[in-house]
Amino acid sequence: QQPVQSPQAVILREGEDAVINCSSSKALYSVHWYRQKHGEAPVFLMILLKGGEQKGHDKISASFNEKKQQSSLYLTASQLSYSGTYFCGTQRRGNNNNDMRFGAGTRLTVKP
Amino acid sequence: DAGVTQSPTHLIKTRGQQVTLRCSPKSGHDTVSWYQQALGQGPQFIFQYYEEEERQRGNFPDRFSGHQFPNYSSELNVNALLLGDSALYLCASSPGTGHSPLHFGNGTRLTVT
Repeated sequence: QQPVQSPQAVILREGEDAVINCSSSKALYSVHWYRQKHGEAPVFLMILLKGGEQKGHDKISASFNEKKQQSSLYLTASQLSYSGTYFCGTQRRGNNNNDMRFGAGTRLTVKP
Repeated sequence: DAGVTQSPTHLIKTRGQQVTLRCSPKSGHDTVSWYQQALGQGPQFIFQYYEEEERQRGNFPDRFSGHQFPNYSSELNVNALLLGDSALYLCASSPGTGHSPLHFGNGTRLTVT
């Protein structure tokens, strides 16, 4: 029931782009994206509620393909501050915040 | 405006003992969810409390129990600790039970020896 994230890890140079994918075998209602830096709490980035919805946050954006039960997080022109582990959290149809399932995470390292 | 606060930050217990972890939600939030995060893994949902009741529960044994108080703060209790219970325990709060973002505390690092 947990979403599957890929890749497990990414190493970038500053200014490069990355895509992180999240997929579920169950019909999804919403997808949340969070970033966790080492030793810190996960921090909310964005939520996607409707199929096809795309949201942006500075140079970080995401899309949600409801038919494929997939979401992708796009990081463009990466900055050193983007380093951390990115988690997608999914909620299935019929559930609300009660049952947020998280993927195993994608560790992103941005080097100078 | 204080965010989610958890105590203690670190805890070392012996196998078989019992532990209580505490969480104060962000101001204005009335829903508290607890997660277990093993090293290198994503947070695993334990349960959620709303209106002082357990609303949903993940795949965790009855050794894991909780409570929510009238001021919305919450406790997580783990009995008969196992070595495998060693993890970071995260508390997350949100307003209501809708599709709102979760606000996480910094967690309690539990080590069972």
